[in-house]
Amino acid sequence: ELKVEQNPLFLSMQEGKNYTIYCNYSTTSDRLYWYRQDPGKSLESLFVLLSNGAVKQEGRLMASLDTKARLSTLHITAAVHDLSATYFCAPDFGNEKLTFGTGTRLTIIP
Amino acid sequence: DAGVIQSPRHEVTEMGQEVTLRCKPISGHNSLFWYRQTMMRGLELLIYFNNNVPIDDSGMPEDRFSAKMPNASFSTLKIQPSEPRDSAVYFCASTAGGTSTDTQYFGPGTRLTVL
Repeated sequence: ELKVEQNPLFLSMQEGKNYTIYCNYSTTSDRLYWYRQDPGKSLESLFVLLSNGAVKQEGRLMASLDTKARLSTLHITAAVHDLSATYFCAPDFGNEKLTFGTGTRLTIIP
Repeated sequence: DAGVIQSPRHEVTEMGQEVTLRCKPISGHNSLFWYRQTMMRGLELLIYFNNNVPIDDSGMPEDRFSAKMPNASFSTLKIQPSEPRDSAVYFCASTAGGTSTDTQYFGPGTRLTVL
């Protein structure tokens, strides 16, 4: 069974702090996406990671991929309020479609 | 580009009525996806099309749901008859690349409420 697990599911953190969201998946994947969803809004693509060891950074967000461990991380540095959103990972399992994780709802507290 | 366009944005209907959701993908994109999002089940892929042909409809919950893509610029998702448990946000997404797993661009969604 193709499974994608994110943890934590809910995360409250103070502004200025660092934290990491984890995405574990059940079988081989060489490509993985991260998406962001604001409350009541659509999903927006953040990163695509295309190979083992890939690292992408945009502002205070950095994503990495370890295909051997079947793990991707999304690291938040010095969080600010406008990063509050739900973050989804979505690996490509080679079955012609993406499988989305459960999502991590991030709330940044002033 | 206008992005993926969905209509209506909100739909409230009564149980037993027919509901039709519409999607216009980004021009030039050749794959189109329909998703459903609920608090309980998260984001579920219902069906996807490649070059207007349905490729995988294994996520369609039951025969009450049907989807069509008559041309490259238009798709519909129909529910008949609708039930309260169909209440959800329905997203359409499209991809530009040669594979169905290129970056998906999502529409704004249709929030469906079945009373």
